[in-house]
Amino acid sequence: AQSVTQPDIHITVSEGASLELRCNYSYGATPYLFWYVQSPGQGLQLLLKYFSGDTLVQGIKGFEAEFKRSQSSFNLRKPSVHWSDAAEYFCAVGAEGSGYSTLTFGKGTMLLVSP
Amino acid sequence: IAGITQAPTSQILAAGRRMTLRCTQDMRHNAMYWYRQDLGLGLRLIHYSNTAGTTGKGEVPDGYSVSRANTDDFPLTLASAVPSQTSVYFCASSGTLTGELFFGEGSRLTVL
Repeated sequence: AQSVTQPDIHITVSEGASLELRCNYSYGATPYLFWYVQSPGQGLQLLLKYFSGDTLVQGIKGFEAEFKRSQSSFNLRKPSVHWSDAAEYFCAVGAEGSGYSTLTFGKGTMLLVSP
Repeated sequence: IAGITQAPTSQILAAGRRMTLRCTQDMRHNAMYWYRQDLGLGLRLIHYSNTAGTTGKGEVPDGYSVSRANTDDFPLTLASAVPSQTSVYFCASSGTLTGELFFGEGSRLTVL
């Protein structure tokens, strides 16, 4: 079964500083990988996704993520954080070839942005 | 605007009562899902449906039931609510084989 680990429960970053949120997954085959963002009181919104091809994927709001198969990682990055980026971020993995597969989510990383 | 509509937005419920959370999508997606979100536990899958007429159990199905009579609707029923079912419930749908999910705004349920 697939699993996702987000090692950081909370991260605080100064506005304008760079950001990296860590995500490690466990799955035997080629995974589909996702990052979602959840603002307070809202549902989850897809930031970006990796299915195949270029291992560096670009998403919305200036985010990017890099798939590293050797490290089983899919870390999320942003070069300059804005106060509006404060939210909870979820990494998720889906299974290849299983049709309408279910996603397994990490437990989330709460991003706090300081002035 | 196309998307997923959940109702109610929020509900307080006495233990032992029956409750149905409604979910409707207008994207004609085949697959639909119910997740619950609890602090420190992330999102956990309760039930899913890959297509109308079929349903399956997720990670935490006990105490919940679902039905999928048509493509658009996927209600979640708590037959006899218990306080441990206090949570935020999210309905989601997917129209792709790769599992990208679209989420509703959530239903906050408190069981006293």
